[in-house]
Amino acid sequence: EIVLTQSPATLSLSPGERATLSCRASQSISISLAWYQQKPGQAPRLLIYDASNRATGIPARFSGSGSGTDFTLTISSLEPEDFAVYYCQHRNNWRGTFGQGTKVEI
Amino acid sequence: EVQLVESGGGLVQPGGSLRLSCAASGFTFSPYGMNWVRQAPGKGLEWLSYIRGNSDTIYYADSVEGRFTVSRDNAKNSLYLQMNSLRTDDTALYYCARDRANSDMDVWGKGTTVTVSS
Repeated sequence: EIVLTQSPATLSLSPGERATLSCRASQSISISLAWYQQKPGQAPRLLIYDASNRATGIPARFSGSGSGTDFTLTISSLEPEDFAVYYCQHRNNWRGTFGQGTKVEI
Repeated sequence: EVQLVESGGGLVQPGGSLRLSCAASGFTFSPYGMNWVRQAPGKGLEWLSYIRGNSDTIYYADSVEGRFTVSRDNAKNSLYLQMNSLRTDDTALYYCARDRANSDMDVWGKGTTVTVSS
């Protein structure tokens, strides 16, 4: 079973700053990793798929990188609406798994 | 507009059953795999189940295998989750989500709340 570990648990930043979120897989998963954003009271929204591809309508300030076991979600300059919880996710043999989430707070 | 709308949540006693529904609209439902994901209060996301477009492939998380059954009716553009032998730790917001390329989930409903309590 593949385990995804996200760090840090909480990231305290100000608008305009750069956010760097990490997701580490317990074994190599190639580029099969997605990132989601979840705001309070809302459903998750797909941001990045296949490690580095932005989903439809996602602003260019969001970027993903990595392969194998180490992945990064970068928000180049935080907007007020970006303060949320971010999850990484992988599917292995049809079964999905999520990281525990990183909260980006002001 | 592409949309998923869950329904069927509610309060149920431990050991009871509930059937959730997810109505899809705005896209051709039958080719897409679909997922159920839940989120316990104040917790993270937990993937529960996947069903392929033609229902020939179904998978469950260990936490619900043998108790939950996923199904779909493509003629009705609907996805279902039959939940039996419910436990208090099944209390959560349940989302349905459209599968993208057997990899991730690109469309989500707003969720339906299930509370298991005596």
